Amino acid sequence: EAGVTQFPSHSVIEKGQTVTLRCDPISGHDNLYWYRRVMGKEIKFLLHFVKESKQDESGMPNNRFLAERTGGTYSTLKVQPAELEDSGVYFCASSQVPGGYTFGSGTRLTVV
Amino acid sequence: EDQVTQSPEALRLQEGESSSLNCSYTVSGLRGLFWYRQDPGKGPEFLFTLYSAGEEKEKERLKATLTKKESFLHITAPKPEDSATYLCAGISGGYQKVTFGIGTKLQVIP
Repeated sequence: EAGVTQFPSHSVIEKGQTVTLRCDPISGHDNLYWYRRVMGKEIKFLLHFVKESKQDESGMPNNRFLAERTGGTYSTLKVQPAELEDSGVYFCASSQVPGGYTFGSGTRLTVV
Repeated sequence: EDQVTQSPEALRLQEGESSSLNCSYTVSGLRGLFWYRQDPGKGPEFLFTLYSAGEEKEKERLKATLTKKESFLHITAPKPEDSATYLCAGISGGYQKVTFGIGTKLQVIP
């Protein structure tokens, strides 16, 4: 079984630019989650999709972040425009039932 | 606000030297507690889920226990390959949200 795949693994962008992160969940997993770890802090919840619908987006920092999940398959997280404080590791996780997560390896985003 | 606190933040052990990692939590409506292992450059890897006080689970040299206020991850006779960051997380809200601790970075020296 293929795991959760995230692209790219690393991204370095300038402040003000746009970046799009992608997550391919495990096939058949209806639940998809985005988390973020800022250096020195805990991993924090961003949002939860059930199929293509946003179940909970209470962790999204602000309206510069936009998450989508096309047809209930892969998901994208766009940051526009990026700010320095957006730097961190963005993790995606998926599960067949809520809570039984499998995480991807993460995308390390650096905003300079 | 839900909070998960892990201690110590870093732990250095000699190979074979058993120890315990602590996780205390204040999570409203807690439904369960996860333990994960994270290696550098990788995502968290699931180890255990504990649902009720008194529950214990084991996997190789690891044993996780849960009380009403905290969880422990016991490592018996660790090996260098057990070196990793161990994360504790509380599940609430119908399993839809997970609150993570900052982790304990374990180093096992041969």
